[in-house]
Amino acid sequence: AQSVTQLDSHVSVSEGTPVLLRCNYSSSYSPSLFWYVQHPNKGLQLLLKYTSAATLVKGINGFEAEFKKSETSFHLTKPSAHMSDAAEYFCVAVNFGNEKLTFGTGTRLTIIP
Amino acid sequence: DADVTQTPRNRITKTGKRIMLECSQTKGHDRMYWYRQDPGLGLRLIYYSFDVKDINKGEISDGYSVSRQAQAKFSLSLESAIPNQTALYFCATRAGEHTDTQYFGPGTRLTVL
Repeated sequence: AQSVTQLDSHVSVSEGTPVLLRCNYSSSYSPSLFWYVQHPNKGLQLLLKYTSAATLVKGINGFEAEFKKSETSFHLTKPSAHMSDAAEYFCVAVNFGNEKLTFGTGTRLTIIP
Repeated sequence: DADVTQTPRNRITKTGKRIMLECSQTKGHDRMYWYRQDPGLGLRLIYYSFDVKDINKGEISDGYSVSRQAQAKFSLSLESAIPNQTALYFCATRAGEHTDTQYFGPGTRLTVL
């Protein structure tokens, strides 16, 4: 069984300051982990993914995430927030053996001008 | 043009009505998926299909049925809609067994009165 916990349902940061969105996972194996972003009235867009290669993963729009097995974490960061980053972010664990995608409940990111 | 399209984008219907949500893709992917999104619950898998002749139930298939009319088309039906099926529905595709990224459509917002 696998589970994903996004530790914050809502994060607010000022424009130009760092962003940290936290994700912890639980799995009996080493999962593939993804971060998706959902802008209002839009579908989900892939930000980045970890699939057992480099533990520091760089994605689109300046986002990156680090897979830490010892902490079972996959936190998403960005050095400097932009107004266009305001959206909902989902951490996802994937077991392609049984087509099981486990979504976190999402973190809504608000950017303060 | 979008790679994964969904129709309709919004639908309001009444309890007991039959509803079909359609998904088309131009990515040439074999695997297609239907999810529903509810506030605070992330996305949950309803059905998935590996090819035209291979359809599988997901974690919440009760009350839903699907049809894979062609490689590019995957429809979701609610035979007799009920209010707790009010949700945002997403279609997604994936290339195959050894690929890991899902591509999502823009979503269909369904309201059952």
